[in-house]
Amino acid sequence: KQEVTQIPAALSVPEGENLVLNCSFTDSAIYNLQWFRQDPGKGLTSLLLIQSSQREQTSGRLNASLDKSSGRSTLYIAASQPGDSATYLCAVNSNYQLIWGAGTKLIIKP
Amino acid sequence: NAGVTQTPKFQVLKTGQSMTLQCAQDMNHEYMSWYRQDPGMGLRLIHYSVGAGITDQGEVPNGYNVSRSTTEDFPLRLLSAAPSQTSVYFCASSYSIGASYNEQFFGPGTRLTVL
Repeated sequence: KQEVTQIPAALSVPEGENLVLNCSFTDSAIYNLQWFRQDPGKGLTSLLLIQSSQREQTSGRLNASLDKSSGRSTLYIAASQPGDSATYLCAVNSNYQLIWGAGTKLIIKP
Repeated sequence: NAGVTQTPKFQVLKTGQSMTLQCAQDMNHEYMSWYRQDPGMGLRLIHYSVGAGITDQGEVPNGYNVSRSTTEDFPLRLLSAAPSQTSVYFCASSYSIGASYNEQFFGPGTRLTVL
């Protein structure tokens, strides 16, 4: 059974720092992995999708990597800003459904 | 395109009442699904559909029914609401599910409270 874990559960860093969020999964047979952002009381915003054949994807200050063999993905945020404060969720597309991590709550201190 | 729409945005029910959460998409997506999100947990799949007339159970299907009579609509029915069904419900759609390029699109969510 696919399981997805995100560590840490919460992270607080000063503005301007570069940071890495982690996502690990137990079964490497995946179609893709998607990173989402969720603001308090709001819906889900898709940030990046990495296909199973890809190693990384970039969008602006965000870079996501995928290592299927080790069951890991990272989301790198460069030059963090207070507006980046949110919960970040990863979801693995596996066995015809999305399996979700519990998320990392990120706080960027001005 | 409106994308994925959900109604209502908020709902309060009493234990034992029934209701239907509506979900619609205008992207001609074959795959649609319903998730619930509870505090401190990842989203959990309730039911999904791979096309009109085809539905299947996810991880937490008990207490919920679905049907898919059209490509566009995928309503979720709560048969007899219980306090354990207090949650935020998200509907999602994608072109298909078993392909690496498929991105999931989500609705804005429905916040349900069962008293």
